[in-house]
Amino acid sequence: AQTVTQSQPEMSVQEAETVTLSCTYDTSESDYYLFWYKQPPSRQMILVIRQEAYKQQNATENRFSVNFQKAAKSFSLKISDSQLGDAAMYFCAYRRDRNSGGYQKVTFGIGTKLQVIP
Amino acid sequence: DVKVTQSSRYLVKRTGEKVFLECVQDMDHENMFWYRQDPGLGLRLIYFSYDVKMKEKGDIPEGYSVSREKKERFSLILESASTNQTSMYLCATDTRTGTNYNEQFFGPGTRLTVL
Repeated sequence: AQTVTQSQPEMSVQEAETVTLSCTYDTSESDYYLFWYKQPPSRQMILVIRQEAYKQQNATENRFSVNFQKAAKSFSLKISDSQLGDAAMYFCAYRRDRNSGGYQKVTFGIGTKLQVIP
Repeated sequence: DVKVTQSSRYLVKRTGEKVFLECVQDMDHENMFWYRQDPGLGLRLIYFSYDVKMKEKGDIPEGYSVSREKKERFSLILESASTNQTSMYLCATDTRTGTNYNEQFFGPGTRLTVL
């Protein structure tokens, strides 16, 4: 079974600084997707960034980028120039590729609460 | 934009009551999900549905049932609420087609308290 581990329950960062959130996962599949979702306080969860396992290039979305290490099964999220609006719970998630057959369940980590200090 | 709505943001019920949580989406997505979110446990899948009248158990289906009579609506039912079902419940949708086929879209959540 796939597992997703987020070992940092809480993190803090000064506004305008850079922070990295860690995520490791375990799978025997070769084709899969990894995600970071953001859940702001009292607001809906939204997708931040997605990485396809077959792509060697790390995904980036504006100030958000990932460090995807497939062999190490590591998928960290880097937030540059942190803003107050980045304060949220961040969830790492895994989903195997649809070509793997069957239903592609999403497995979530337990989340990392990010505090942004003004 | 995908819009996923849930019938209540906050709900307080008594032990033994039958509870209905409703989720409605407007993007014609085939798949709909119910998750439970608890501190330290992340999101856990209760049930999902990949088509009208179709349902599959997730990781923690005990004490819950679901109904999907129309494509846009997915209901979670607690037949006899218990205190250990006090939690945040999240509805989500996704689709098997398109470029964003594997992204899940979430509702705002329902915080249920069972007294």
